[in-house]
Amino acid sequence: EVQLVESGGGLVKPGGSLRLSCAASGFTFSNAWLSWVRQAPGKGLEWVGRIKSQGDGGTTDYAAPVKGRFTISRDDSKNTLYLQMNNLKTEDTAVYYCAHYSNGWDWGQGTLVTVSS
Amino acid sequence: DIQMTQSPSSLSASVGDRVTITCRASQAISNSLAWFQQKPGKAPKPLIYAASSLQSGVPSKFSGSGSGADFTLTISSLQPEDFATYYCQQYNTYPYTFGQGTKLEIK
Repeated sequence: EVQLVESGGGLVKPGGSLRLSCAASGFTFSNAWLSWVRQAPGKGLEWVGRIKSQGDGGTTDYAAPVKGRFTISRDDSKNTLYLQMNNLKTEDTAVYYCAHYSNGWDWGQGTLVTVSS
Repeated sequence: DIQMTQSPSSLSASVGDRVTITCRASQAISNSLAWFQQKPGKAPKPLIYAASSLQSGVPSKFSGSGSGADFTLTISSLQPEDFATYYCQQYNTYPYTFGQGTKLEIK
């Protein structure tokens, strides 16, 4: 059974930084392409970015609102995905989900990030 | 970016009804289309992938169809637990994009 468990959310001031983690199990993590998706309170879903497997180059793509501020990385030895968020803005307040696609989607339960002074 | 447009934005229906939600992409996306169900305070639950394939454990009352740019999600014989918000998502082209959601409410 695939499991994705996000952690690291919390309250941070505008301009601050936070790193989210997503611990994965139930599939071959090193071969997986993984994504982050977010949902602001009362709003719809927004894809944040994706990282390819190291075997496919390990490259990343980002949504325009976070490009240059957010960095996705992975540690295949720990089966863990990361989202480093810098220069946070109030509009980054959201629940952040990690997601994996392989013959269907799997999502975690999310972690809440609140950016407020 | 590919725009995903769902219709309707909200829908009232009764227990036992059959409903259909549509999702239109601003350009062709092959069959790279997923549907999700979300209840308040919960993570989105994947229902359909590849436009018409049922995710493991999802009841067959949910079905998806379409290809190219036009897609539908059909829910047969609505039960109280089906009243939720539904989203489509294209994963053919980065950035992946979602529809704005369809809120299904009890009439």
